[in-house]
Amino acid sequence: EDQVTQSPEALRLQEGESSSLNCSYTVSGLRGLFWYRQDPGKGPEFLFTLYSAGEEKEKERLKATLTKKESFLHITAPKPEDSATYLCASWTDFNKFYFGSGTKLNVKP
Amino acid sequence: GAVVSQHPSWVICKSGTSVKIECRSLDFQATTMFWYRQFPKQSLMLMATSNEGSKATYEQGVEKDKFLINHASLTLSTLTVTSAHPEDSSFYICSALGLLKTEAFFGQGTRLTVV
Repeated sequence: EDQVTQSPEALRLQEGESSSLNCSYTVSGLRGLFWYRQDPGKGPEFLFTLYSAGEEKEKERLKATLTKKESFLHITAPKPEDSATYLCASWTDFNKFYFGSGTKLNVKP
Repeated sequence: GAVVSQHPSWVICKSGTSVKIECRSLDFQATTMFWYRQFPKQSLMLMATSNEGSKATYEQGVEKDKFLINHASLTLSTLTVTSAHPEDSSFYICSALGLLKTEAFFGQGTRLTVV
């Protein structure tokens, strides 16, 4: 059964305290691994797509990496405006997306 | 980035009535769109995959006669919640897969409340 698991469920950081979010996946035929940011009451906002193990992508304070079993979203020197729920999703050969339950990040000033 | 517009952003309806939610890709053509529902503090649950010009593919446990999906053009998919009941109250979100299939963009979501 295709499954995407994110950890931790919630993460509280002080401003400037770097950390990583984890996304583990067990899916048949992974075509891509997506990361999104979601603010309360809004639709997810696209961040990255990763396609193959070893791939890395960066955007401002965020960096996403991918291995054969998991993906990490590294947040360097976070700011309060980075507070949100971060979702990862697997895109499979059957053209479907499966989302993890998300990591709720709270960055305190 | 590409824009997906979802309408309405919120709706309140009476139990037993039907509600239609529209999902439009504004600046690109989307052969594939997805519909999700999200309960409070939970992640997105895929309901169905909608392909332009063909019948939608529903996930297990999703009633296709209750959640009617139409993808009549490359820029529009609609979800109709028929005979809505209070337990259908949720946040419904659509997403569209770009033609290059490298990214998936989401609408802003529709908050449905059935009273």
